[in-house]
Amino acid sequence: GENVEQHPSTLSVQEGDSAVIKCTYSDSASNYFPWYKQELGKRPQLIIDIRSNVGEKKDQRIAVTLNKTAKHFSLHITETQPEDSAVYFCAAIITGGGNKLTFGTGTQLKVEL
Amino acid sequence: NAGVTQTPKFQVLKTGQSMTLQCAQDMNHNSMYWYRQDPGMGLRLIYYSASEGTTDKGEVPNGYNVSRLNKREFSLRLESAAPSQTSVYFCASKTALVNSYNEQFFGPGTRLTVL
Repeated sequence: GENVEQHPSTLSVQEGDSAVIKCTYSDSASNYFPWYKQELGKRPQLIIDIRSNVGEKKDQRIAVTLNKTAKHFSLHITETQPEDSAVYFCAAIITGGGNKLTFGTGTQLKVEL
Repeated sequence: NAGVTQTPKFQVLKTGQSMTLQCAQDMNHNSMYWYRQDPGMGLRLIYYSASEGTTDKGEVPNGYNVSRLNKREFSLRLESAAPSQTSVYFCASKTALVNSYNEQFFGPGTRLTVL
C-alpha cells in the first residue's frame, strides 16, 4: 500500500518567516494530495490540495508544489503568523483504489513572536 | 447544517468492556470513514464505507467492527477494549463516488481511554 513520509516532525519559525514542510509518497499511482491543518484539540481541516496533473497551487499565503518524478510534495507558508501554529498533515490518495487517504505523521509548526 | 457529529466526546473504559462510537453526517455524503489518531503516528484508517450498505477494512481494523446503519450514520464498535485502543477517534465523510477528488470532512473526535 501507499506510504507517506513527512518531515520535519517539528518546526519553529519567527513570525514573518517562511515555513516549508516536505512529504514523499511511495506509490506512483497516487493522484491527489491534500494538506490538513489541525489546531490543538480540534478536528483536521483541509487547507489546500493539489492534483497530479498540476505542479503548483497557491492560495494567499500558502502554496503546494508537486514533483511527480521524485514523488514528493511540499507545503509552503509565507509571512507566517501566530495563528499558523498547528499540526500540519500531508496525505496521498489513489482515487482508483477505494479513495483511502494515507496520512503523513504530521509536523508541529510553532510560530514565535 | 451540523456537518459531521460524533458521540461521545470523551469515554473511559476498563479493559474488556465494549462500546460503540456514533457518527452522523447531514451533508448527504456517500462515503464515511473511521480513523484513529495517536501521537507521532498521524491518522490511520480503521474502516471505511464507500456507500450505504458497504464496508471495508482500512490499515488498522483489528479489534473493531463497523456498521453503516443508513446513509447518514456510521458506527464503530469495540467489542473488548484493550489499552492499545486508547486514542482519539475521528469520523469523516465525503461526497460523490469513491473514485473522485473531494474533501473529507472530519467530525470533532472522540477521546477514548482504556484502563
